[in-house]
Amino acid sequence: DVKVTQSSRYLVKRTGEKVFLECVQDMDHENMFWYRQDPGLGLRLIYFSYDVKMKEKGDIPEGYSVSREKKERFSLILESASTNQTSMYLCASSLRGFDEQYFGPGTRLTVT
Amino acid sequence: QKEVEQDPGPLSVPEGAIVSLNCTYSNSAFQYFMWYRQYSRKGPELLMYTYSSGNKEDGRFTAQVDKSSKYISLFIRDSQPSDSATYLCAMSRLTGGGNKLTFGTGTQLKVEL
Repeated sequence: DVKVTQSSRYLVKRTGEKVFLECVQDMDHENMFWYRQDPGLGLRLIYFSYDVKMKEKGDIPEGYSVSREKKERFSLILESASTNQTSMYLCASSLRGFDEQYFGPGTRLTVT
Repeated sequence: QKEVEQDPGPLSVPEGAIVSLNCTYSNSAFQYFMWYRQYSRKGPELLMYTYSSGNKEDGRFTAQVDKSSKYISLFIRDSQPSDSATYLCAMSRLTGGGNKLTFGTGTQLKVEL
């Protein structure tokens, strides 16, 4: 069975903190993605990666960075968390490009 | 104006009803169309994937694409309480780096006993 796991389901952080969100997939997929999901705005792409150590900006990369040191792991970093980064964060992976993405359960992040 | 429009609902139907979920889009370059289902507090899961115009059927689910009208639909026959979820449409076009997905905001469906 395809599996994408995320390190935390719920996270509460303070403004200005550095936040790490981890994602691991066990499907040997080349491609990994980070989205945020907000009511009325849908899913928006933050960053994606086609290969180890490769990264590409998505539609809303400001305030975020990513790291992909191993094929199965893709990390999202909030360098200095702000309240407008309170959201549901979803990680996904795919075998071919953006097609047929498999999503993790999400991390609900609250920044106070 | 958003590239993809989707009625947020909620849509409430009795068990056994035929459900029609829809999305409209503005960009004629979209070529690939997908429907995802998202249960509460879970990540989306891919339900249907179609390329260009036409129909595709999978069990109780039928995806329909009308590129001339820029309109896609998902039909659910014999709806069940377990179909209660948010349904997201997604679509992609060819870009330099690959096919980025553009998502609708989702329609919340509740199937009642």
